[in-house]
Amino acid sequence: GDSVTQMEGPVTLSEEAFLTINCTYTATGYPSLFWYVQYPGEGLQLLLKATKADDKGSNKGFEATYRKETTSFHLEKGSVQVSDSAVYFCALRDYGGSQGNLIFGKGTKLSVKP
Amino acid sequence: DAGVIQSPRHEVTEMGQEVTLRCKPISGHDYLFWYRQTMMRGLELLIYFNNNVPIDDSGMPEDRFSAKMPNASFSTLKIQPSEPRDSAVYFCASSLGGINSPLHFGNGTRLTVT
Repeated sequence: GDSVTQMEGPVTLSEEAFLTINCTYTATGYPSLFWYVQYPGEGLQLLLKATKADDKGSNKGFEATYRKETTSFHLEKGSVQVSDSAVYFCALRDYGGSQGNLIFGKGTKLSVKP
Repeated sequence: DAGVIQSPRHEVTEMGQEVTLRCKPISGHDYLFWYRQTMMRGLELLIYFNNNVPIDDSGMPEDRFSAKMPNASFSTLKIQPSEPRDSAVYFCASSLGGINSPLHFGNGTRLTVT
């Protein structure tokens, strides 16, 4: 079946550091890919998405590129802020193995220190 | 757009009591999902509906859990009888059809069973 694997956390960075959170996926079909963010005490919010190979999703300074050849969708930000401290989830949606459900990775907790 | 609305925001109950969680999806969305989040197990899909029909309930932990969607604008998740291990944050999400459509999450119900 479909699955998403993302790097284990927690990740601790200093403000203005470069961020990469790795995400790879396995899918039976041609999925759409998503990054969600969860701030403390809140629900999940869509951060960005990409729906086909080589698409780049971007939002709030975060970027991720849909790489079909490496089945990856790594999240990057050039300069993190304290306010970016949250848990980040990579996810895919596919009508193949997941029947239209959203399959999540386990989440990566990011802490940014001033 | 009011977003996905969940109630109550917090629920504290004693073991053995019945608990009902409620969700109002975004108008026009035809998919509705119930997730559970705990520190130990992360995000777990419990059940999801398409056009008010349950599609996959394989994540429902046991017969104590039941979910209904009597119409397009309302869903309930019921636990009867509740147990301390059911303590978690329960999220409802809705979406349009199509794998390009992201899920929109409510703010969750934090359930504590003592």
